[in-house]
Amino acid sequence: GAGVSQSPSNKVTEKGKDVELRCDPISGHTALYWYRQRLGQGLEFLIYFQGNSAPDKSGLPSDRFSAERTGESVSTLTIQRTQQEDSAVYLCASSRPGLAGGNNEQFFGPGTRLTVL
Amino acid sequence: AQSVTQLGSHVSVSEGALVLLRCNYSSSVPPYLFWYVQYPNQGLQLLLKYTTGATLVKGINGFEAEFKKSETSFHLTKPSAHMSDAAEYFCAVTGRGSTLGRLYFGRGTQLTVWP
Repeated sequence: GAGVSQSPSNKVTEKGKDVELRCDPISGHTALYWYRQRLGQGLEFLIYFQGNSAPDKSGLPSDRFSAERTGESVSTLTIQRTQQEDSAVYLCASSRPGLAGGNNEQFFGPGTRLTVL
Repeated sequence: AQSVTQLGSHVSVSEGALVLLRCNYSSSVPPYLFWYVQYPNQGLQLLLKYTTGATLVKGINGFEAEFKKSETSFHLTKPSAHMSDAAEYFCAVTGRGSTLGRLYFGRGTQLTVWP
């Protein structure tokens, strides 16, 4: 597709359940990022993939959060035993790494709105 | 770690008035700086970015921002606001070293444009 896509767009779950959020980056983009946006807050970095490896996963808030990426394309963010504080919009972005690395634009998907009851 | 401060969580202007959204960053070396816009129920869209070179950066929709190293600022301006500019605006800076890949975002400024 032309842009970053995420699914589902909305997810309502009960506390304690596991959820999986999916991100399809722009074709050819080797860098992929996950962010979390809580109501009234800025975006909070979660994890960064370069290809299939994650050189920076320091933003994952707890061991209930994990992410993987296969085939240098699709990524899945998994939240186990969800808590109410996990309610947020989860945004995925992708970019082409350039010579300088950090100066390339990150293209964002529309996000997945997660509500934990 | 990098940090970004956006002064004013809400800014209201009249249509046709100057838009000024403030952003200050903390960094010991000049970072890469970005402004993103988020329209309701949409993902973030890049407005403009500063990497190197000219400190006055022009972006889409008539927005521009000036990198001022001495003030560690990257304020966003537009000479004349339009109703369609109503959205949330985020300033962001890249990390350094091992965190080069990530963006550090400010908390956002909601822009309201009155007719």
